[in-house]
Formats: sequence, structure tokens, C-alpha cells
Amino acid sequence: GAGVSQSPSNKVTEKGKDVELRCDPISGHTALYWYRQSLGQGLEFLIYFQGNSAPDKSGLPSDRFSAERTGGSVSTLTIQRTQQEDSAVYLCASSSRGTTSTDTQYFGPGTRLTVL
Amino acid sequence: DAKTTQPTSMDCAEGRAANLPCNHSTISGNEYVYWYRQIHSQGPQYIIHGLKNNETNEMASLIITEDRKSSTLILPHATLRDTAVYYCLSHGLGWNNYGQNFVFGPGTRLSVLP
Repeated sequence: GAGVSQSPSNKVTEKGKDVELRCDPISGHTALYWYRQSLGQGLEFLIYFQGNSAPDKSGLPSDRFSAERTGGSVSTLTIQRTQQEDSAVYLCASSSRGTTSTDTQYFGPGTRLTVL
Repeated sequence: DAKTTQPTSMDCAEGRAANLPCNHSTISGNEYVYWYRQIHSQGPQYIIHGLKNNETNEMASLIITEDRKSSTLILPHATLRDTAVYYCLSHGLGWNNYGQNFVFGPGTRLSVLP
């Protein structure tokens, strides 16, 4: 079946521009996560959505970052006024948390963002 | 801060078992141990998870110590395609600040050598 998809796969932008990154989770998965991975580093949690509950935004690094999830499915991560330090791979994952007793995450391929 | 610690890197000969350790000495009684791996330029891939019993699936085995303070991921017959960074996490299913559970530290870089 279809896995988690992300678009675009690569995005190059100029400093100061806004960018939108898209995530299509696995159909039926109620939970969706965004992470950031800088070169050679581990994953940094950004935001978590679960069903219709208020998202857990505790990992967002600044108010330039925001995310929404429409209709409980597709999610968009928006970075405003991009900075060079925002350059990283942005990963999305989904899980069926809430319907099972554990929380196995399935990751997309990521979007590589380069801010010039 | 990561709740788990892993060696930075390990080598393993092709065809031999790869044993990857993880320390999670502060794990709570309702927290599971999860293992993921990330092959170069790909998103992380789920491998296995467990609570207190040893687990096995088609990819690997997970051995959790009786006190649950450490675990070992075993790849029984490592292949070159198993070369990746392996991440060990521990987390429960509490709802408050749930996202902060997901600390993927630097992991262990496993190199399977021919």
C-alpha cells in the first residue's frame, strides 16, 4: 500500500522567502509528526498532530515555523522568512496512535530544504 | 536530552550477527523500547519494539534485560544493505508534551563490511 509521501523532494529558496512543505500520511493514520534533520545529526521533533486534538507544538524552534493539518489528513509545514540555518531535511511520519496500544511511526522520504 | 545512549559506531562482517546495544537506565514501567534505522538519504524505517519480553520479527530480534535498563538489537545475518544509522528510543503513550518523547539522538552508525 501507499506509504507516507512528501513534496517537494528538494526545495532551494532564497533567504527571507517563505516555503511550504507538504506531507501526505498513510490513509487512516490519526497521528502525524514533523521532524527536522540537519546534516549528520539526529532527528529533531517539531510538531505532532493527533486526530482533532490541539497539536503539540513544543518542538517548533521559532514563531517563523507553523504547521496545519487539514481534514485530519494532509499536513503543511510553513517556514516564514527562511534563514540559512533552516537548511535541513524535513521529515514527516504518521502512525495509528489512538487506535493501537503502541505508536509505530512510518516516515516519508523527506524534503531537503536549502536556503541560500 | 536523549533518554537513551548508544555507541557512536560499530562494524560488523557480512553474514555475521550484528549486536547493537542501547542503555535506557531511566526508562519508566510503561515505556516501550523502539528501534528504527536510517539508510543514507532515506527516511527512518521502523524495525522492532518491545516492553519487557524479548521480541523477534522478520528483520531483527530485540533482547531487553530483566531490569529493562538496557536492550540489544540483533541482526542475525547482517548484509551490506544493513549499513545504516540505528536509533533506539524509549517512550510511553502519555498525552502531555507527547512529542518530546521522540528524541532521536545520533544513534549508532553500523557499517557492514564485505
